[in-house]
Amino acid sequence: DVKVTQSSRYLVKRTGEKVFLECVQDMDHENMFWYRQDPGLGLRLIYFSYDVKMKEKGDIPEGYSVSREKKERFSLILESASTNQTSMYLCASSPSGAGANVLTFGAGSRLTVL
Amino acid sequence: GDSVTQMEGPVTLSEEAFLTINCTYTATGYPSLFWYVQYPGEGLQLLLKATKADDKGSNKGFEATYRKETTSFHLEKGSVQVSDSAVYFCALDQAGTALIFGKGTTLSVSS
Repeated sequence: DVKVTQSSRYLVKRTGEKVFLECVQDMDHENMFWYRQDPGLGLRLIYFSYDVKMKEKGDIPEGYSVSREKKERFSLILESASTNQTSMYLCASSPSGAGANVLTFGAGSRLTVL
Repeated sequence: GDSVTQMEGPVTLSEEAFLTINCTYTATGYPSLFWYVQYPGEGLQLLLKATKADDKGSNKGFEATYRKETTSFHLEKGSVQVSDSAVYFCALDQAGTALIFGKGTTLSVSS
């Protein structure tokens, strides 16, 4: 079964810590995405990547960075975590071409920043 | 910019009731439209899609028709089950970037 795997389901971090959220897909997809999900706000796009070493800002990139050194892995980095970054983070991937707009999501990483 | 507006929840229904979740969109051009579903404790998964005006997407008894004249893509099901309890997201694709999602509508079905 094809998958998008997010390494941590639940994390608790302290304000100011550097946080890494890892996402791996086994479908050889070119496109990968990071969204955050908050009650009443739905999903908001943080960053996305169309290829290795490429990244594009989404709607809310402030306070985040990403890394895509390998095709299958897309990491979200919080350089200095803040309490307003407490949220559910969802990673997704899709192929290039005709299926590019059909996303496969991971189960999510719930981050709490104290 | 492009956006999606869907009805606020929660929507609470009894088993076998008829379901409608409204979704309207604002977009330049002619986007594809989607419904995604998120079951408790899981990530989102594609429920159905439509790529052009008057297309009907369907899956698992759910249907939605792409209405260009009303810029709508309402989700319907004739008879809901307890297992349909989930959060439903309407979305559109923004050419060259990524999907834009609505805020989500929580559906709760009781037996």
